[in-house]
Amino acid sequence: KQEVTQIPAALSVPEGENLVLNCSFTDSAIYNLQWFRQDPGKGLTSLLLIQSSQREQTSGRLNASLDKSSGRSTLYIAASQPGDSATYLCAAPASGTYKYIFGTGTRLKVLA
Amino acid sequence: DAGVTQSPTHLIKTRGQQVTLRCSPKSGHDTVSWYQQALGQGPQFIFQYYEEEERQRGNFPDRFSGHQFPNYSSELNVNALLLGDSALYLCASSLVGTGMSGPSPLHFGNGTRLTVT
Repeated sequence: KQEVTQIPAALSVPEGENLVLNCSFTDSAIYNLQWFRQDPGKGLTSLLLIQSSQREQTSGRLNASLDKSSGRSTLYIAASQPGDSATYLCAAPASGTYKYIFGTGTRLKVLA
Repeated sequence: DAGVTQSPTHLIKTRGQQVTLRCSPKSGHDTVSWYQQALGQGPQFIFQYYEEEERQRGNFPDRFSGHQFPNYSSELNVNALLLGDSALYLCASSLVGTGMSGPSPLHFGNGTRLTVT
């Protein structure tokens, strides 16, 4: 059974700092893993998708890595800005199904 | 290119009532999934529709039902509303995935905030 955990639950950093958000999953037989951003009261915006055959994906200041053997993914945000303040969620598929299992998210606050 | 659209944005209902939420998928997508997100939690899978049929269902009671239309749009119906049904309901569209390639990446709408009083 797939379980997804995100640590830390909340993070507050000064503007300009580089930071890492962590995502752990229990079933390593995944086809892909997605990172999302959610602003308060809004839907989810897809940030990065990593296929199981990949180790990293980059988009602008964001870099996501995937290590299936250890059941971990990290989202690296470079030179953080106040506009990056949001909740970041990771989601991994449940084996043999069409559904994604989500973590509870990391609530990020970047202070100006 | 229109993304996923959901209506209404907000809804207030009384216990015992019924509600219908609507979703139009991203252009080119043929699969719609519904998720429930309680405050401070990650989204929970309700069900997925493909080719107008429920393809997979999560751990939700039969009070939750859905429908997919020939144009791929979808509805989520909840009967006999309970206070605990208050949540953000998210619709996600994707291209059909297969057992060999797994589920396809999800694209979400902005959700419908349902409040049950």
